[in-house]
Amino acid sequence: KAGVTQTPRYLIKTRGQQVTLSCSPISGHRSVSWYQQTPGQGLQFLFEYFSETQRNKGNFPGRFSGRQFSNSRSEMNVSTLELGDSALYLCASSLSGQNTEAFFGQGTRLTVV
Amino acid sequence: AQSVTQLGSHVSVSEGALVLLRCNYSSSVPPYLFWYVQYPNQGLQLLLKYTSAATLVKGINGFEAEFKKSETSFHLTKPSAHMSDAAEYFCAVGFSGGYNKLIFGAGTRLAVHP
Repeated sequence: KAGVTQTPRYLIKTRGQQVTLSCSPISGHRSVSWYQQTPGQGLQFLFEYFSETQRNKGNFPGRFSGRQFSNSRSEMNVSTLELGDSALYLCASSLSGQNTEAFFGQGTRLTVV
Repeated sequence: AQSVTQLGSHVSVSEGALVLLRCNYSSSVPPYLFWYVQYPNQGLQLLLKYTSAATLVKGINGFEAEFKKSETSFHLTKPSAHMSDAAEYFCAVGFSGGYNKLIFGAGTRLAVHP
Protein backbone atom coordinates (compact mmCIF):
# COMPACT_ATOMS: atom_id res chain seq x y z
CA LYS A 1 0.00 0.00 0.00
CA ALA A 2 1.51 3.30 -1.06
CA GLY A 3 2.12 5.90 1.62
CA VAL A 4 1.39 9.60 1.61
CA THR A 5 3.04 11.32 -1.34
CA GLN A 6 3.98 14.97 -1.26
CA THR A 7 5.30 16.89 -4.23
CA PRO A 8 7.61 18.57 -4.76
CA ARG A 9 10.11 17.60 -2.06
CA TYR A 10 12.05 20.83 -2.30
CA LEU A 11 11.08 24.26 -3.50
CA ILE A 12 12.81 27.65 -3.63
CA LYS A 13 10.66 30.73 -4.14
CA THR A 14 11.15 34.47 -4.02
CA ARG A 15 9.37 36.80 -1.62
CA GLY A 16 6.03 37.90 -3.01
CA GLN A 17 5.51 34.84 -5.16
CA GLN A 18 2.90 32.21 -4.55
CA VAL A 19 3.35 28.46 -4.25
CA THR A 20 1.18 25.35 -4.46
CA LEU A 21 2.05 22.12 -2.68
CA SER A 22 0.42 18.79 -3.43
CA CYS A 23 -0.48 15.81 -1.26
CA SER A 24 -1.82 12.41 -2.29
CA PRO A 25 -3.19 10.51 0.73
CA ILE A 26 -3.17 6.79 1.33
CA SER A 27 -5.81 5.03 -0.72
CA GLY A 28 -9.08 4.97 1.18
CA HIS A 29 -8.16 7.85 3.48
CA ARG A 30 -10.53 10.78 3.17
CA SER A 31 -9.05 13.15 5.73
CA VAL A 32 -6.02 15.25 4.86
CA SER A 33 -4.32 17.61 7.31
CA TRP A 34 -1.50 20.05 6.75
CA TYR A 35 1.17 21.14 9.22
CA GLN A 36 3.98 23.67 9.14
CA GLN A 37 7.23 22.73 10.88
CA THR A 38 9.84 25.37 11.73
CA PRO A 39 12.72 25.38 14.22
CA GLY A 40 11.20 28.28 16.12
CA GLN A 41 7.51 27.37 16.22
CA GLY A 42 7.67 23.60 15.93
CA LEU A 43 4.78 21.71 14.38
CA GLN A 44 1.70 23.82 13.85
CA PHE A 45 -1.64 22.74 12.44
CA LEU A 46 -2.74 24.57 9.30
CA PHE A 47 -6.03 22.95 8.30
CA GLU A 48 -7.85 19.68 7.72
CA TYR A 49 -9.99 18.65 4.79
CA PHE A 50 -12.54 15.87 4.67
CA SER A 51 -14.73 15.06 1.70
CA GLU A 52 -13.64 18.25 -0.07
CA THR A 53 -14.66 20.42 2.91
CA GLN A 54 -12.41 22.24 5.32
CA ARG A 55 -13.52 21.14 8.76
CA ASN A 56 -10.81 22.57 10.94
CA LYS A 57 -8.40 25.46 10.64
CA GLY A 58 -5.38 26.66 12.58
CA ASN A 59 -4.25 30.20 13.35
CA PHE A 60 -2.61 31.18 10.11
CA PRO A 61 -3.23 34.24 7.95
CA GLY A 62 -5.51 34.07 4.95
CA ARG A 63 -2.49 33.81 2.65
CA PHE A 64 -2.54 30.12 3.52
CA SER A 65 -5.33 28.22 1.83
CA GLY A 66 -6.08 24.74 0.72
CA ARG A 67 -8.50 22.53 -1.08
CA GLN A 68 -9.33 18.88 -1.52
CA PHE A 69 -10.44 17.13 -4.65
CA SER A 70 -13.01 14.36 -5.09
CA ASN A 71 -10.23 11.75 -5.14
CA SER A 72 -9.07 13.05 -1.70
CA ARG A 73 -5.89 14.57 -3.08
CA SER A 74 -5.18 17.93 -1.51
CA GLU A 75 -3.30 21.06 -2.35
CA MET A 76 -2.24 23.95 -0.20
CA ASN A 77 -1.42 27.37 -1.52
CA VAL A 78 0.56 30.18 0.01
CA SER A 79 0.27 33.58 -1.63
CA THR A 80 2.54 36.60 -1.27
CA LEU A 81 5.33 34.57 0.25
CA GLU A 82 7.32 35.96 3.16
CA LEU A 83 10.73 34.91 4.41
CA GLY A 84 9.05 33.51 7.52
CA ASP A 85 7.10 31.04 5.41
CA SER A 86 10.28 29.02 4.93
CA ALA A 87 9.49 25.69 6.55
CA LEU A 88 8.86 22.01 6.12
CA TYR A 89 5.22 21.51 5.17
CA LEU A 90 3.85 18.14 6.16
CA CYS A 91 0.71 16.47 4.96
CA ALA A 92 -1.01 13.74 6.94
CA SER A 93 -3.78 11.43 5.85
CA SER A 94 -6.27 9.67 8.10
CA LEU A 95 -9.33 7.54 7.84
CA SER A 96 -12.63 9.31 8.33
CA GLY A 97 -13.71 10.10 11.84
CA GLN A 98 -11.87 11.74 14.68
CA ASN A 99 -8.51 11.17 16.29
CA THR A 100 -7.62 8.35 13.97
CA GLU A 101 -3.99 7.62 13.25
CA ALA A 102 -2.34 10.23 11.04
CA PHE A 103 0.14 8.99 8.46
CA PHE A 104 2.59 11.63 7.34
CA GLY A 105 4.31 12.25 4.06
CA GLN A 106 7.99 13.16 3.83
CA GLY A 107 7.13 16.82 3.49
CA THR A 108 7.91 19.66 1.15
CA ARG A 109 10.85 21.85 2.14
CA LEU A 110 10.00 25.41 1.10
CA THR A 111 12.71 28.05 1.12
CA VAL A 112 11.74 31.66 0.51
CA VAL A 113 14.58 33.97 -0.54
CA ALA B 1 -7.25 24.87 25.85
CA GLN B 2 -5.22 21.81 24.99
CA SER B 3 -1.44 21.88 25.18
CA VAL B 4 1.48 19.51 25.34
CA THR B 5 4.75 19.94 27.21
CA GLN B 6 7.79 17.81 26.57
CA LEU B 7 10.41 18.12 29.30
CA GLY B 8 13.93 18.18 27.91
CA SER B 9 14.63 19.28 24.36
CA HIS B 10 17.68 16.99 24.26
CA VAL B 11 18.18 13.63 25.92
CA SER B 12 21.36 11.58 25.64
CA VAL B 13 21.66 7.93 26.64
CA SER B 14 24.15 5.13 26.21
CA GLU B 15 23.38 2.22 23.94
CA GLY B 16 21.56 -0.40 26.01
CA ALA B 17 20.34 2.10 28.61
CA LEU B 18 16.74 2.94 29.46
CA VAL B 19 15.10 5.61 27.35
CA LEU B 20 12.62 7.90 29.10
CA LEU B 21 11.03 10.80 27.24
CA ARG B 22 8.59 12.92 29.19
CA CYS B 23 5.26 14.31 28.04
CA ASN B 24 2.60 16.16 30.01
CA TYR B 25 -0.65 17.32 28.55
CA SER B 26 -3.26 19.84 29.48
CA SER B 27 -6.76 19.03 28.44
CA SER B 28 -10.18 19.75 29.88
CA VAL B 29 -11.59 16.56 28.41
CA PRO B 30 -10.16 13.04 28.08
CA PRO B 31 -7.52 13.31 25.40
CA TYR B 32 -6.22 11.12 22.65
CA LEU B 33 -2.46 10.90 22.95
CA PHE B 34 0.17 9.99 20.41
CA TRP B 35 3.92 9.61 20.13
CA TYR B 36 5.61 10.20 16.80
CA VAL B 37 9.24 9.85 15.71
CA GLN B 38 10.98 11.89 13.03
CA TYR B 39 14.26 10.94 11.40
CA PRO B 40 16.31 13.59 9.57
CA ASN B 41 14.68 14.85 6.38
CA GLN B 42 11.70 12.59 6.92
CA GLY B 43 8.07 12.92 7.88
CA LEU B 44 6.63 11.69 11.16
CA GLN B 45 6.07 8.03 11.94
CA LEU B 46 3.50 6.93 14.52
CA LEU B 47 5.01 4.99 17.43
CA LEU B 48 1.88 4.48 19.49
CA LYS B 49 -1.53 5.85 20.39
CA TYR B 50 -3.56 6.00 23.60
CA THR B 51 -7.32 5.77 23.25
CA SER B 52 -8.42 4.83 26.80
CA ALA B 53 -8.58 1.10 26.13
CA ALA B 54 -5.52 0.47 28.31
CA THR B 55 -3.24 2.73 30.30
CA LEU B 56 -0.07 0.97 29.14
CA VAL B 57 0.30 1.19 25.40
CA LYS B 58 2.82 -0.83 23.42
CA GLY B 59 4.13 0.56 20.18
CA ILE B 60 6.59 -0.26 17.46
CA ASN B 61 10.34 -0.77 17.86
CA GLY B 62 10.03 -1.77 21.53
CA PHE B 63 8.60 1.54 22.75
CA GLU B 64 5.74 1.82 25.20
CA ALA B 65 3.98 4.62 27.05
CA GLU B 66 1.89 4.78 30.18
CA PHE B 67 -1.09 7.07 30.58
CA LYS B 68 -1.36 8.52 34.09
CA LYS B 69 -4.44 10.67 34.45
CA SER B 70 -3.55 11.86 37.97
CA GLU B 71 -0.24 13.21 36.68
CA THR B 72 -1.58 14.23 33.24
CA SER B 73 1.41 12.42 31.77
CA PHE B 74 2.13 10.09 28.89
CA HIS B 75 5.84 9.32 29.12
CA LEU B 76 7.56 7.21 26.46
CA THR B 77 9.98 4.48 27.48
CA LYS B 78 12.17 1.80 25.95
CA PRO B 79 14.11 -0.62 28.15
CA SER B 80 17.25 -0.73 26.01
CA ALA B 81 18.33 2.00 23.60
CA HIS B 82 19.69 1.17 20.19
CA MET B 83 21.79 3.41 17.99
CA SER B 84 18.97 3.46 15.44
CA ASP B 85 16.69 5.11 18.02
CA ALA B 86 18.51 8.42 17.59
CA ALA B 87 15.86 10.77 16.23
CA GLU B 88 13.42 13.47 17.33
CA TYR B 89 10.35 12.40 19.23
CA PHE B 90 7.07 14.28 19.41
CA CYS B 91 4.18 13.88 21.80
CA ALA B 92 0.82 15.01 20.43
CA VAL B 93 -2.73 15.36 21.70
CA GLY B 94 -6.02 15.10 19.89
CA PHE B 95 -9.32 15.93 21.46
CA SER B 96 -13.00 15.29 21.03
CA GLY B 97 -14.48 17.74 18.55
CA GLY B 98 -11.10 18.45 17.00
CA TYR B 99 -11.57 15.93 14.24
CA ASN B 100 -8.02 14.86 13.31
CA LYS B 101 -6.23 18.01 14.47
CA LEU B 102 -3.12 17.27 16.50
CA ILE B 103 -1.38 19.62 18.91
CA PHE B 104 2.28 18.77 19.16
CA GLY B 105 4.86 19.25 21.85
CA ALA B 106 8.14 20.96 21.00
CA GLY B 107 9.92 17.66 20.54
CA THR B 108 12.81 15.86 22.25
CA ARG B 109 15.95 15.01 20.34
CA LEU B 110 17.33 11.67 21.47
CA ALA B 111 21.03 10.96 21.06
CA VAL B 112 22.37 7.44 21.60
CA HIS B 113 26.09 7.02 22.12
CA PRO B 114 28.15 3.81 22.18
